[in-house]
Amino acid sequence: GAGVSQSPSNKVTEKGKDVELRCDPISGHTALYWYRQSLGQGLEFLIYFQGNSAPDKSGLPSDRFSAERTGGSVSTLTIQRTQQEDSAVYLCASSNRPLDTQYFGPGTRLTVL
Amino acid sequence: AQKVTQAQTEISVVEKEDVTLDCVYETRDTTYYLFWYKQPPSGELVFLIRRNSFDEQNEISGRYSWNFQKSTSSFNFTITASQVVDSAVYFCALIRANAGGTSYGKLTFGQGTILTVHP
Repeated sequence: GAGVSQSPSNKVTEKGKDVELRCDPISGHTALYWYRQSLGQGLEFLIYFQGNSAPDKSGLPSDRFSAERTGGSVSTLTIQRTQQEDSAVYLCASSNRPLDTQYFGPGTRLTVL
Repeated sequence: AQKVTQAQTEISVVEKEDVTLDCVYETRDTTYYLFWYKQPPSGELVFLIRRNSFDEQNEISGRYSWNFQKSTSSFNFTITASQVVDSAVYFCALIRANAGGTSYGKLTFGQGTILTVHP
């Protein structure tokens, strides 16, 4: 079946603008995760959705970052007032259940000028 | 808090050599899962293996093998007869599975090992 998809694949924006990144998980997967990969910080967890439970936002680096998951499927990660340090690859993953294997999408490369 | 350490930042080998990627982890949980992912130049993280903390059996899949030793908190990955297509960044990761607290269900990654296989 189809894997995790993310859009856009690349996003270039100017400092101070808002951006939205989209993730379509594998159909039927109840858990959805966002991670960020940057040169200095490696792969770091951002936020986690499980079913209808409140999301775990403990990894979000600032209140400029937010995410939602509509209908238990598609998720959108929003970064407001982007800063240059937000430049990174944003990876989405999904799993059938919280402790199952997470399958990753191709990522969105965000560049903030 | 849990931690995953991949001490080898970069490894360079010639095709057909065997290569072992080291992974050492720290966790206070008794139940956890360990993973290896491959990130080829295309950028997508590809799942390779998942082990739970109660299963210390080594595993072999084709040219890949994994050695899990709880006594040394290590989960090493060996590629036998390496090929150019094995060139990638390899990540070791851990999920804590004891319910409660933060980090439940989230992957904690090592810094990755860049493997280059030369023809």
